[in-house]
Amino acid sequence: KNEVEQSPQNLTAQEGEFITINCSYSVGISALHWLQQHPGGGIVSLFMLSSGKKKHGRLIATINIQEKHSSLHITASHPRDSAVYICAVRLIGTSGSRLTFGEGTQLTVNP
Amino acid sequence: DVKVTQSSRYLVKRTGEKVFLECVQDMDHENMFWYRQDPGLGLRLIYFSYDVKMKEKGDIPEGYSVSREKKERFSLILESASTNQTSMYLCASSSIRSGVDYGYTFGSGTRLTVV
Repeated sequence: KNEVEQSPQNLTAQEGEFITINCSYSVGISALHWLQQHPGGGIVSLFMLSSGKKKHGRLIATINIQEKHSSLHITASHPRDSAVYICAVRLIGTSGSRLTFGEGTQLTVNP
Repeated sequence: DVKVTQSSRYLVKRTGEKVFLECVQDMDHENMFWYRQDPGLGLRLIYFSYDVKMKEKGDIPEGYSVSREKKERFSLILESASTNQTSMYLCASSSIRSGVDYGYTFGSGTRLTVV
């Protein structure tokens, strides 16, 4: 079983819809990252969280440490949001700040 | 703007060749990482380094080596390229200093094809 589980694996939405991607992890963490990867592109860090909630534009990330769960929300989705979204965690006690990754959620937003 | 730069975006090499993938960061980060990304397998850590001349094996180090002679540069070496090393390779850097986590920055990736 993966230490980091994301759901759904694939998500198709219509432009304007509110989108939620979920991430659950099974061990203690010191930080959680949400990453975005466009087709053929590099990876961009969207958020780094250790508690609470962060917002950047139409993106909101929340984390509940007790429940070992995080969500990424996209409000008023747009076709340019189509990408793979990856949840990654830094496990407590790991050296050099290495991350453990979920398998990603492929999001497609249709016009 | 902080950057992690990978030397090549696309690379085609022949089986048995020695391949060098270069990564340079301009953020004075102490940690650097090499990952490969394959469909259905996600991101897997090959090697990482937390200081100059220091290296640690990740989850899939076989067939690879690394070099970190300067803080800003982390090289991934495929000693004798094989077709199963055809993949997207991503470099990243990070820093935690005085308890402050400066997060992760990724490069644009190198798509390597071994023929």
